[in-house]
Amino acid sequence: KQEVTQIPAALSVPEGENLVLNCSFTDSAIYNLQWFRQDPGKGLTSLLLIQSSQREQTSGRLNASLDKSSGRSTLYIAASQPGDSATYLCAVRGNQFYFGTGTSLTVIP
Amino acid sequence: GAVVSQHPSRVICKSGTSVKIECRSLDFQATTMFWYRQFPKQSLMLMATSNEGSKATYEQGVEKDKFLINHASLTLSTLTVTSAHPEDSSFYICSASWADSNQPQHFGDGTRLSIL
Repeated sequence: KQEVTQIPAALSVPEGENLVLNCSFTDSAIYNLQWFRQDPGKGLTSLLLIQSSQREQTSGRLNASLDKSSGRSTLYIAASQPGDSATYLCAVRGNQFYFGTGTSLTVIP
Repeated sequence: GAVVSQHPSRVICKSGTSVKIECRSLDFQATTMFWYRQFPKQSLMLMATSNEGSKATYEQGVEKDKFLINHASLTLSTLTVTSAHPEDSSFYICSASWADSNQPQHFGDGTRLSIL
């Protein structure tokens, strides 16, 4: 069974810092990997989708990479802002979607 | 972008009540909808996958008679929590996607269910 792990579980950084969130998965037979953001008590907002054949995707200050063979993905956030504070989840799609445990990010003004 | 609307956003009701949650894809036709449950400070747990016009596929440990799922059209799926009890209190989230495995999921805003 696919297992998705995210490290760290929580992260606190001062505003303006660049940061990296990590996602690892045990089964490399995936169709794609998706990064989401979740604000407290809210649903999920899709940030980036990387197909299994792709290595990275970029959107604004966000860059996500995928190394399928090693079962790893990273989400890079440049010049962090207080509005980036949220929980970030990664999910891989195999036979179904498998979600990671999430990283709770706090950006301190 | 694809928009998924989920209603209601919050429900508070007495034990024994049945609660229906709707999930609608507003600007696209979703061949597949997923229902998740999320406990505080935990990740999403897939409850069931529903394909339009067919019976839902439930994950192991999820009672299909307790959580009734209907996906009657390409834009609407409903989850009914029957005879809800306090232990059913949770955050329920739906997502919609296409059957094509390369397509992303689009999520609703979730429903906070509190059973007294």
